[in-house]
Amino acid sequence: AQTVTQSQPEMSVQEAETVTLSCTYDTSESDYYLFWYKQPPSRQMILVIRQEAYKQQNATENRFSVNFQKAAKSFSLKISDSQLGDAAMYFCAYRSFSGGGADGLTFGKGTHLIIQP
Amino acid sequence: GVTQSPTHLIKTRGQQVTLRCSSQSGHNTVSWYQQALGQGPQFIFQYYREEENGRGNFPPRFSGLQFPNDSSELNVNALELDDSALYLCASSVGGAPDYEQYFGPGTRLTVT
Repeated sequence: AQTVTQSQPEMSVQEAETVTLSCTYDTSESDYYLFWYKQPPSRQMILVIRQEAYKQQNATENRFSVNFQKAAKSFSLKISDSQLGDAAMYFCAYRSFSGGGADGLTFGKGTHLIIQP
Repeated sequence: GVTQSPTHLIKTRGQQVTLRCSSQSGHNTVSWYQQALGQGPQFIFQYYREEENGRGNFPPRFSGLQFPNDSSELNVNALELDDSALYLCASSVGGAPDYEQYFGPGTRLTVT
């Protein structure tokens, strides 16, 4: 079974600064997908960014980028120019390719990101 | 978007509960997750075209239904105190792992 570990329960960053959230995972598979989800206080989970394991290039979405290290099984999220609206719980998630999607997402415990004005 | 009802629910141990989800139009796949306080969501099961095609580590008293009209249900029998959690549904246009899942706001279930 796959596991996802987020070792930072809480992170704090000044507005406009850059912050990096860490995520490691354990799997014996070679093909899979990795995601970062944002869960604001209103609770609706929103996809921030995704990475296909077969792609060497790190994914980027505007101010959000990832550092994907497949051999190290590491998948960190960098948020540049932090904004007050970025404050939320951030979850790292894994999804198996071999299960055809029927295995669902495996989530970490989350990192609570605080943005200091 | 994806909607869920009710928003909050309080039940007594041993009772049964039904939670509802309305998927985005055209989505044929719905997944359900349980999120205990301070934890990440845990996968319960997935329905694809009205058939369960995947299940996480949850007992059979957790069951579901998916209807042709973009709605679905999560049923939990013989409620236990540990079932207290936020229940999230997520829909997608297909069951494959590369399809984005769109989450609802959740139903907060409290079991006393």
